Amino acid sequence: AQTVTQSQPEMSVQEAETVTLSCTYDTSESDYYLFWYKQPPSRQMILVIRQEAYKQQNATENRFSVNFQKAAKSFSLKISDSQLGDAAMYFCAYSNSGNTPLVFGKGTRLSVIA
Amino acid sequence: GAGVSQSPSNKVTEKGKDVELRCDPISGHTALYWYRQRLGQGLEFLIYFQGNSAPDKSGLPSDRFSAERTGESVSTLTIQRTQQEDSAVYLCASSIQGQNTEAFFGQGTRLTVV
Repeated sequence: AQTVTQSQPEMSVQEAETVTLSCTYDTSESDYYLFWYKQPPSRQMILVIRQEAYKQQNATENRFSVNFQKAAKSFSLKISDSQLGDAAMYFCAYSNSGNTPLVFGKGTRLSVIA
Repeated sequence: GAGVSQSPSNKVTEKGKDVELRCDPISGHTALYWYRQRLGQGLEFLIYFQGNSAPDKSGLPSDRFSAERTGESVSTLTIQRTQQEDSAVYLCASSIQGQNTEAFFGQGTRLTVV
């Protein structure tokens, strides 16, 4: 079974600085998808960024980018120019190709210090 | 509607009672998922509906849990004879075709069993 591990229960960053959240996963598949979701206090999960495993280029979305290391099964999220609104729980998630459920890590709580 | 809608937002019930949680997915989304999120934890997969296919019930923790979906519309998650360990946030998500496309989440139902 696939597993997703987030080794940092909590992280903090100064406003305008950069922070990297770690995620590793375990799978025997070669084709799969990886996601980072943000969960603010409102509880609603919001997709931040996604990466297809067959793509070598790291995904970027404005201030958010990933460092995808397929051989190491690592998928870290970098948040640049951190803003107060970035404070939330961040979940790393994995999905096989095809219609299979997302597998989530336990999350990292990010605090942004003004 | 504009997004995934879940009701009620919060539910307090007495141990041993049955509860029903409702999810209205985004119109046109064929896939629907239920997840459970215990306090401070990640998301545990419960059940997955995809079109007219038989649902994937592999995540249901016991036979007290069941879910139904009418066509490609509303879904109901039922928990019978609730236990205190059932206390959690129950999140519903929908997507166009499985999890390779973006899954949109509702704001969840916080269930408290007293």
